[in-house]
Amino acid sequence: AQSVTQLGSHVSVSEGALVLLRCNYSSSVPPYLFWYVQYPNQGLQLLLKYTSAATLVKGINGFEAEFKKSETSFHLTKPSAHMSDAAEYFCAVSKNQGGKLIFGQGTELSVKP
Amino acid sequence: EAGVAQSPRYKIIEKRQSVAFWCNPISGHATLYWYQQILGQGPKLLIQFQNNGVVDDSQLPKDRFSAERLKGVDSTLKIQPAKLEDSAVYLCAYLHGTVGGQETQYFGPGTRLLVL
Repeated sequence: AQSVTQLGSHVSVSEGALVLLRCNYSSSVPPYLFWYVQYPNQGLQLLLKYTSAATLVKGINGFEAEFKKSETSFHLTKPSAHMSDAAEYFCAVSKNQGGKLIFGQGTELSVKP
Repeated sequence: EAGVAQSPRYKIIEKRQSVAFWCNPISGHATLYWYQQILGQGPKLLIQFQNNGVVDDSQLPKDRFSAERLKGVDSTLKIQPAKLEDSAVYLCAYLHGTVGGQETQYFGPGTRLLVL
């Protein structure tokens, strides 16, 4: 069975600091991996996705994530945090394109001025 | 978010009442999903449709939840009777192809349900 673990339910960084949100997955097949962001009272917006084309994936708003098979990880990073990055971030895994997404518990990112 | 409309956006009901949610992908999409997101958790798939047919409803509590998709476009999700633990955000998503042929799930704004 597939599963996703996001380490840290809350992460707080200062504006301009590095953002690192951790995600580890479990999958019996080569996975499709995703990061979604959710702003208050809104649906989920896709940040980026890994589909085996390249291990370093660049997404919107300056975010990127690196797929590391040996570590079963897909951590999300951004070099410099902005106040507007404050939101809930979800890592998700799927067995195939169009298959159901299995989400982690989410990490709430706070950005301090 | 712009690709799918959901209504109502908010609903408050008492336990044992019934409630229905509506989802309309603005452009026709073959694959549609309903997810339940309980406060503090990630979304969980309730049901997946391919056109009018059900692909996966293994996590749908069928004794109280039902869903249908008419003509492969709009979809409704119903709860009857509602329980306190059904308080959650109900998200509708659709599968859309992008440049390069990769398909991705895009989510609507959700319906926030509070059961008292």
